[in-house]
Parts: sequence; structure tokens; C-alpha cells
Amino acid sequence: EPEVTQTPSHQVTQMGQEVILRCVPISNHLYFYWYRQILGQKVEFLVSFYNNEISEKSEIFDDQFSVERPDGSNFTLKIRSTKLEDSAMYFCASSEYDGGNTQYFGPGTRLTVL
Amino acid sequence: AQKITQTQPGMFVQEKEAVTLDCTYDTSDQSYGLFWYKQPSSGEMIFLIYQGSYDEQNATEGRYSLNFQKARKSANLVISASQLGDSAMYFCAMRALLMDSNYQLIWGAGTKLIIKP
Repeated sequence: EPEVTQTPSHQVTQMGQEVILRCVPISNHLYFYWYRQILGQKVEFLVSFYNNEISEKSEIFDDQFSVERPDGSNFTLKIRSTKLEDSAMYFCASSEYDGGNTQYFGPGTRLTVL
Repeated sequence: AQKITQTQPGMFVQEKEAVTLDCTYDTSDQSYGLFWYKQPSSGEMIFLIYQGSYDEQNATEGRYSLNFQKARKSANLVISASQLGDSAMYFCAMRALLMDSNYQLIWGAGTKLIIKP
């Protein structure tokens, strides 16, 4: 069964460093998403991406964040200068089309900023 | 604004019993979808079941069913014959379905379910 994959599973970085989180969505899916979950808190939407551009983003997704689909398979989230409060689990998700279609999640990348 | 409320922070249930996890929602959208996800201790987010607001029948997926009461704005998850492997966090989520709406999932705070042997 096709699934969303994410690498790395765990990333430790120093405050101020740049990190790139990688995702490979399900191959025939067209919509891609990033969410984050700070430990013990709700899941929060960051950004959605369709047709090589951002379709929607939250207040969390400020200038420190960017997304890219550098090739036909990868979908990346870059945090330019990490802060302590960026420590969280980051989930990538994809859906076949928009509307009510189910978003399937990857296993997550746990980012720890020291 | 859309909002999801899960009032049960934690639940203990005996193995093989049925369990109902509560979810109420608030939205001004006429067309929306409701989702349940399971998050085991390993951290991944697993899709369980989906209910569209215009679906006349309650959704079912194996041991999972969704008790959808539109007038009450509730979408409770029912797990029949619970198993030890059902121990996890369970999240209710919602999104609008109309074109040009926000497609992001809005999440509840989750319910931690522990199945006792």
C-alpha cells in the first residue's frame, strides 16, 4: 500500500541553524501539506501546496519557513533559522485531490532545537 | 471559525469492551468533512475514518464506526471489541469541502485511550 515517507525521523539542531525536512508524498497525490505538533499539544496546520505553489498557509508559517517541490517526488519544508520553540513533530501529508479527500500522513520528523 | 472539541483527555477501557470517543464541532460551513486519526506512542498519524456532512449513513470501517449527529454537531468514534493495540491518542479533525475554502484540517486536543487487559 502506498504511503507517505519522511526523512529524517529525528533531527537535532542548534538554535539559529537551517534545517530541511523531507517528504515523499504518495505518487498520484496532488495536494501536499505540512503540520506540526508541539509535544503534548494540538496538531497545527502550517501550509498546503498545490500545482507548485502555496495554496494556503497559517500564521505560524512566517518568513522563516519555506516549502519546495524540487523534483517530481520530494516535498520539503525549510526552516531558515531555527528557534527553541520550533521543536516539535513535523508531519507531511498528501491527498489525491482537494475537497473532502482524506489526507494521509507520514510518520513525522521529530525536530529538537537546542 | 471552525473548532473541534474533545472533552475526554483520557479514558481507560477493559479489553474487548466497546468504547466511544466524543467529538463535537463548530462550523459555519454547509459542507464539511470529519476525520478521525490514531496516534500510537510511536508518533505516526494513522487515518481511521471519514464522514462527509451530507452523507446520510454513518461511516464504518471494520471495528470503527462514526456516530454522526449533525443537529448536535457531534461525530463520536465508536471502537467495537477493543484490543490492546487500540491504546493510543485519538484525534478528531474537520475541514471544509467547498471550493475556495480553507482545506486545512482543524484538530481537536485528542483523547488518550488506554486499553486494560
